[in-house]
Amino acid sequence: QSALTQPASVSGSPGQSITISCTGTSSDVGGYNYVSWYQQHPGKAPKLMIYDVSNRPSGVSNRFSGSKSGNTASLTISGLQAEDEADYYCSSYTSSSTLHVVFGGGTKLTVL
Amino acid sequence: QVQLVQSGAEVKKPGASVKVSCKASGYTFTSYGISWVRQAPGQGLEWMGWISAYNGNTNYAQKLQGRVTMTTDTSTSTAYMELRSLRSDDTAVYYCARGGVGATPWFDPWGQGTLVTVSS
Repeated sequence: QSALTQPASVSGSPGQSITISCTGTSSDVGGYNYVSWYQQHPGKAPKLMIYDVSNRPSGVSNRFSGSKSGNTASLTISGLQAEDEADYYCSSYTSSSTLHVVFGGGTKLTVL
Repeated sequence: QVQLVQSGAEVKKPGASVKVSCKASGYTFTSYGISWVRQAPGQGLEWMGWISAYNGNTNYAQKLQGRVTMTTDTSTSTAYMELRSLRSDDTAVYYCARGGVGATPWFDPWGQGTLVTVSS
């Protein structure tokens, strides 16, 4: 059981927009602006897409955006493309005494 | 460009130890920490811990305390992760990644991953 809750799967057609949610608690997502998002294609290492809730690293398409409200962070992908099909993971700093970082369980994005 | 290159796949028997290396290039090694994250087959990501490449301070996930040791060699810009008393459920791809704790609470970039298989 992951510390952060993500939907197992989402899907959308090319050109559409989708949003992936990431729900935690006031000890992680809700308490700090340290949420990041990662894209992972099969057999590949994860890639940073968003950091500090809504910042995009250099080289990441502006079709990817992040936001947060309360204990839930969200990743939105607009203008879906076939290459966006991948697994997406959220991560957050946590004040838990047993961990410093928690991940979501991952969301499989299917581009129809 | 910033790059992390990990050592190759390992096959170990239960009870043995494994040590994975992660060689950094393209940036000042001591300016960032290195985190280790693992992914069991078909599963999600699990944070294992972090080491400061500046002073060697470490933070480990409590569930791995006592079995894991993270170290760095600043002369070769290489980080190491040793996991002892291996069990079958330690079978996973192990990734190193720059950052994760402190001033850079995100992981970027990641190494290519090292598959560790624990089997009798």
